[in-house]
Order: sequence, then C-alpha cells, then structure tokens
Amino acid sequence: AQSVTQLDSQVPVFEEAPVELRCNYSSSVSVYLFWYVQYPNQGLQLLLKYLSGSTLVKGINGFEAEFNKSQTSFHLRKPSVHISDTAEYFCAVSSIQGAQKLVFGQGTRLTINP
Amino acid sequence: ETGVTQSPTHLIKTRGQQVTLRCSSQSGHNTVSWYQQALGQGPQFIFQYYREEENGRGNFPPRFSGLQFPNYSSELNVNALELDDSALYLCASSLARTQETQYFGPGTRLLVL
Repeated sequence: AQSVTQLDSQVPVFEEAPVELRCNYSSSVSVYLFWYVQYPNQGLQLLLKYLSGSTLVKGINGFEAEFNKSQTSFHLRKPSVHISDTAEYFCAVSSIQGAQKLVFGQGTRLTINP
Repeated sequence: ETGVTQSPTHLIKTRGQQVTLRCSSQSGHNTVSWYQQALGQGPQFIFQYYREEENGRGNFPPRFSGLQFPNYSSELNVNALELDDSALYLCASSLARTQETQYFGPGTRLLVL
C-alpha cells in the first residue's frame, strides 16, 4: 500500500517570491510520482510527473520537482510565483504495476499575496 | 481532441435516493477511473474500468457501482445515498490500463440532504 503526506496544508507567499510545496510518500513497491493542480471549482490538471530517469522533472507553468528516493520525497518548486498560481496542489503516487490507482495527499493550498 | 467530460456538473439528492453520474473519456482512452473528493480532502480512488470490466477497487462499499460502455464512456452509480456521500466526483481517463498518466474531468458536485 502507498501513502502520501503533504507537510503543509496552507502556504502563503508574496507574488514573485519562490515557493516549495513539500511531499513525502511511503510505499513498499516502486512508484510513479505526480503533482496535480486544482483551481477553484475545477478538476485536476497534471503539472508534472516522475516515471524514471533524471530526478529533476520540469512541468508546466514554470514548476519543477525533484525526486529523492532516499528521503522518499517529491517536493514541488517554483522560483517566482504569480497571482494566477493560487490554487490547491496535490501530490500523488501510483504503483508501477497493476491498476493505475492514484493515491493522493491531503493537498496544499497555495495563496499568492500581491 | 476532446478532453474528459462529466455530467451533470451539480446534483442535489436526498438521503436514501440513488444517483448516476456520467463520464466521457478522452478520445482514444480505454481506461476510466473514478475518484471521490470530500471537501478539503484529496481525491480517493473508487474503482477503475478497462474494456468494460472492473480493474481494481478502492475501499468503498458495494452500493458504489459502475459501468463502462463499448465506446469507453462510463457511469458511476451510488445507491442508498448517505450524507457523507456529498463530495466532488472526479472521472479520469488514461490511454491504457497500464498507462501511468490519468487525465481528469471537471467533476460532478453531489450534495446529499
């Protein structure tokens, strides 16, 4: 079984500041890792994913994440945020074998202040 | 290429009633998964359908059931609705059963009174 812990439920930052959203996971098998974003009253949009290879993954809207196997972490970063980045961010994992069931964290609400 | 669509967008039911939610998968995708997202929580996996067969189920009671049709669209049925079933129901499609990336629809918000 897998579990995901997002270490911050809310993260307020000022516009143009850098941000890091933290995600740790637990799994007895190898997993794929994902970050999704959810804007108010909308579904989930894939930001980026780690499947294999380079541990630094670049996604849409200037976001990137780094997979750290020893620390079982997959933190999301952006060097300079914009008001439009205000949203809920979800970290998720799925086993590399079997049905592709996504296991999500509780989410981190990112609020950008002008 | 059309994305994942869901209907209806909002729904209000009373306790004990039954509800059917619908999902059209992204073009070319043969696998559909359903998730329940309670307010303030992350989505939870309900089940997955691949080529009209259930292909994995989460920790949900049997009153949550589903169907997938030959065109790969899908339905989620919930019987004997309870207040705790109030949530956003998300449908996601993927290219194949083993394809890792799932694409989500906008969801159906269900309120049970």
